[in-house]
Amino acid sequence: NAGVTQTPKFQVLKTGQSMTLQCAQDMNHEYMSWYRQDPGMGLRLIHYSVGAGITDQGEVPNGYNVSRSTTEDFPLRLLSAAPSQTSVYFCASRKGVMNTEAFFGQGTRLTVV
Amino acid sequence: DQQVKQNSPSLSVQEGRISILNCDYTNSMFDYFLWYKKYPAEGPTFLISISSIKDKNEDGRFTVFLNKSAKHLSLHIVPSQPGDSAVYFCAASELNNNDMRFGAGTRLTVKP
Repeated sequence: NAGVTQTPKFQVLKTGQSMTLQCAQDMNHEYMSWYRQDPGMGLRLIHYSVGAGITDQGEVPNGYNVSRSTTEDFPLRLLSAAPSQTSVYFCASRKGVMNTEAFFGQGTRLTVV
Repeated sequence: DQQVKQNSPSLSVQEGRISILNCDYTNSMFDYFLWYKKYPAEGPTFLISISSIKDKNEDGRFTVFLNKSAKHLSLHIVPSQPGDSAVYFCAASELNNNDMRFGAGTRLTVKP
């Protein structure tokens, strides 16, 4: 039972480069989301999806794109990386919206130089 | 605008004693609260939750208390064990809202 799988675990980018963080879940959860964790700030919601074909912005969406073509996958794209995007990124999935807990991946540590 | 606050960045307790982690929130529309535990290099894992219709929820050594009038919740761990050493995040959400807000976390160290 893999749960939520994120790749890669570590990544170093140069300013201006683009890349995609991958996220896949095998629990048939409808709801998926991306968070970033920064020191002293907890986890902040970037984008989320309530089902295939449906995405919406969270608290800090600027500089990121997402798509949800299947229930299982929810990739996060950085269009033009900036040093301010240096962070640890977590993907999460939930069975539903109403009062359910989220299951998190192991995280991707991204450094933009 | 941090709607969920954990004002203690760290807490150290002796094995066997009680650990009390605190969380305050400002949004009166929050009605579902969760605690997550995080070990280094791992994602957060769900620990315990409480709905706003309750003031207490217990699961083994872990109990969460909710005081809606004070907009405050706390997590009690009794007895504390060295394996409980981790960062604990408090989170809150509104009914039917996809946005779960997290606190900054409290690093708990349980000394043998």
